[in-house]
Amino acid sequence: DGGITQSPKYLFRKEGQNVTLSCEQNLNHDAMYWYRQDPGQGLRLIYYSQIVNDFQKGDIAEGYSVSREKKESFPLTVTSAQKNPTAFYLCASSGGIGTEAFFGQGTRLTVV
Amino acid sequence: AQSVTQLGSHVSVSEGALVLLRCNYSSSVPPYLFWYVQYPNQGLQLLLKYTTGATLVKGINGFEAEFKKSETSFHLTKPSAHMSDAAEYFCAVSRGGSQGNLIFGKGTKLSVKP
Repeated sequence: DGGITQSPKYLFRKEGQNVTLSCEQNLNHDAMYWYRQDPGQGLRLIYYSQIVNDFQKGDIAEGYSVSREKKESFPLTVTSAQKNPTAFYLCASSGGIGTEAFFGQGTRLTVV
Repeated sequence: AQSVTQLGSHVSVSEGALVLLRCNYSSSVPPYLFWYVQYPNQGLQLLLKYTTGATLVKGINGFEAEFKKSETSFHLTKPSAHMSDAAEYFCAVSRGGSQGNLIFGKGTKLSVKP
């Protein structure tokens, strides 16, 4: 089945450690996105990529990094510079103009 | 700057009653508007979207929304609530022409009482 796969579903890390969240899609979509969700805050855009080997900062990019080496993959690294990394992270993808975003099932990151 | 405001962080209705979730937006360009639903610890599922054309948009699970430009609103309705509708609902507006680059409201949690 076509879709977006995020792994793992739950992730625990110690403070000060970098951690990478995986996002893979087999929808042949050009654009991919990372959102962060906090309770009562909605979703906020971290980074997005409209084409392989290119990406742009979203509204809350500080403390995060991404890469887009393959069309189907868009991993997000939460670095030690992110001051409050505990959150629910959602990856999405969309095709060309006229197609909506499809979301993965999310990764819940807890930093202790 | 574009923004989305959802009125009411929690809404509670009885099973069979009308569901009305409110969304107002601000946008300097003709907006693309969306409603997504989220069940606990899940991703988001698209309920419906408005891009151009007919202002009354029908979505999945009996939901619909009406785009009212004069009121800058895109309220979500369902005539008769079902227990399975209990979830969190998000209104969003797209930035530019990209339907994936979205500005979200803070969400409305819908409870359905038996």
